[in-house]
Amino acid sequence: IAGITQAPTSQILAAGRRMTLRCTQDMRHNAMYWYRQDLGLGLRLIHYSNTAGTTGKGEVPDGYSVSRANTDDFPLTLASAVPSQTSVYFCASSRASGGMNTGELFFGEGSRLTVL
Amino acid sequence: AQSVAQPEDQVNVAEGNPLTVKCTYSVSGNPYLFWYVQYPNRGLQFLLKYITGDNLVKGSYGFEAEFNKSQTSFHLKKPSALVSDSALYFCAVRDMGDDYKLSFGAGTTVTVRA
Repeated sequence: IAGITQAPTSQILAAGRRMTLRCTQDMRHNAMYWYRQDLGLGLRLIHYSNTAGTTGKGEVPDGYSVSRANTDDFPLTLASAVPSQTSVYFCASSRASGGMNTGELFFGEGSRLTVL
Repeated sequence: AQSVAQPEDQVNVAEGNPLTVKCTYSVSGNPYLFWYVQYPNRGLQFLLKYITGDNLVKGSYGFEAEFNKSQTSFHLKKPSALVSDSALYFCAVRDMGDDYKLSFGAGTTVTVRA
């Protein structure tokens, strides 16, 4: 089934540890995103990528890094996790139509991260 | 900067009654507006969008939304709610001049009682 696959689905992590959340899409969408979801705050954009080889910062990029080596993969790395990074992380992608981003995002099922 | 406000944390309605979920937005240019729904322990799913044209847009599962430029609102509506519509609903906005950044509201939890 086409879509976005995130891994792991859930992880408990000690503070100070490095963690990479994986995201793979098979829809050949050009744009990909990482959001975090926190109660009462909705979804906040961490990083995004318009196309392979380019990335950009969202609203809350500090403490996170991303790479986009190819169209399908968009991993999110926490170099040294802190408790405030406890959250549910969603990867998403969107397609272009007529050379313009449609804005319709397809989301993965999420990765629940707990930093102790 | 663009932003979205969803003034109600929760909306409770009886099955068969009309459902409205409110959303107001702020953008510097012309807005692209979206509604997404999230069922428990799932990712968000696209419901509908307004880009241009008719102010009333229709989407999935019988939902519709009305764009009101003067009130900067984009309220989500359904004429007759179902118990299965119980979920978390998010409004989102993108400035037409910003091709990739979508800003989400805090979300509104809808509960439809039988």
